[in-house]
Amino acid sequence: GAGVSQSPSNKVTEKGKDVELRCDPISGHTALYWYRQRLGQGLEFLIYFQGNSAPDKSGLPSDRFSAERTGESVSTLTIQRTQQEDSAVYLCASSIVAPTTDTDTQYFGPGTRLTVL
Amino acid sequence: AQSVAQPEDQVNVAEGNPLTVKCTYSVSGNPYLFWYVQYPNRGLQFLLKYITGDNLVKGSYGFEAEFNKSQTSFHLKKPSALVSDSALYFCAVMGYNFNKFYFGSGTKLNVKP
Repeated sequence: GAGVSQSPSNKVTEKGKDVELRCDPISGHTALYWYRQRLGQGLEFLIYFQGNSAPDKSGLPSDRFSAERTGESVSTLTIQRTQQEDSAVYLCASSIVAPTTDTDTQYFGPGTRLTVL
Repeated sequence: AQSVAQPEDQVNVAEGNPLTVKCTYSVSGNPYLFWYVQYPNRGLQFLLKYITGDNLVKGSYGFEAEFNKSQTSFHLKKPSALVSDSALYFCAVMGYNFNKFYFGSGTKLNVKP
């Protein structure tokens, strides 16, 4: 596709349920990023993939959160046993090479709005 | 510890005037610094970044940022503000292992006609 896509665009779930959020990066982009933005608050970095590997998972808020990427393409962010504080917009971005490359630009998806009741 | 501070929650400027959105950072080693913008009801966009080289970095929409190592700052600037620049701006730094981002709390820029 032309840009980063995320699905679903909206997700309402009950506390305690598991949810899976999907990100489809721009084709050919080797770097992929997940962020979270709680309502009215700032940005929070979750995880960065270089290829299929995430060198640092310490940004994930708790062990209920996990992320994987396959085929240097689609990535899924899974939240187990959701809590109300997980309610947020989850943003995905991708870039061609790596954020530390001078000419590399991140392109963001529209986000998934997660509401935990 | 790695961190970013955006000391102003809100910046107000008149259209046509220069604008500055402040950012200071704390990081081990050489910093990689970024600015992002979030327009109302629109997605997040990358503006510019400093990796190495010239301390003055030029980005999208006429914005630029100046890296100042001695003051550990990376302020965002534009010579002449537009009403359409009104948005939420985030500064970020990559940590020492370059695998993690640290964001500032954001600054809301209001440009009045």
